[in-house]
Amino acid sequence: GAVVSQHPSRVICKSGTSVKIECRSLDFQATTMFWYRQFPKQSLMLMATSNEGSKATYEQGVEKDKFLINHASLTLSTLTVTSAHPEDSSFYICSASRQEYSPQHFGDGTRLSIL
Amino acid sequence: KQEVTQIPAALSVPEGENLVLNCSFTDSAIYNLQWFRQDPGKGLTSLLLIQSSQREQTSGRLNASLDKSSGRSTLYIAASQPGDSATYLCAVIGASGNTPLVFGKGTRLSVIA
Repeated sequence: GAVVSQHPSRVICKSGTSVKIECRSLDFQATTMFWYRQFPKQSLMLMATSNEGSKATYEQGVEKDKFLINHASLTLSTLTVTSAHPEDSSFYICSASRQEYSPQHFGDGTRLSIL
Repeated sequence: KQEVTQIPAALSVPEGENLVLNCSFTDSAIYNLQWFRQDPGKGLTSLLLIQSSQREQTSGRLNASLDKSSGRSTLYIAASQPGDSATYLCAVIGASGNTPLVFGKGTRLSVIA
């Protein structure tokens, strides 16, 4: 199989807090990981693509200084939402793929609620 | 820019009915198309993946078809069950490389016992 673990599953915190979300490929090495955001009743929107050992590529409109992505190894990528505000409340999902053209495998998502 | 549209946005059917979910995409230059299932507050489960050279894929009660030239795909669910209730998402990958998935907004399916 191809299992992707995402942690934590839910975060509730105060405005101004920084939150780190981890995405791990448990039984395969992922050269590429993707981070998506999903607002209620909306589709998944890609935020950024990260390749192991290089800087992430952000989609237009996504602030790279606010959403820090690190892909330090072939099994771990992290997304840090810095100084989170209520408008950052959303469902964040990561996916991982072994190599170019290979299917993406998704984590279970992180529900982020900023009070 | 690729856009994916899913119709209907929501569907409610009685148990046992066969049903069809529709997906259309604006750019026919795709590498593959996938159908996913998403339960409330959960991540995505891949149901079927159709390569651009294929016409359909089947898994159990699910059958997905692809007409790349017209930019359309359908997901057929036979003999629906309450456990099929979920949101079904269609997504495509562009043919140009290791591009990210472009998702539709999904169809929320409710199967009533």
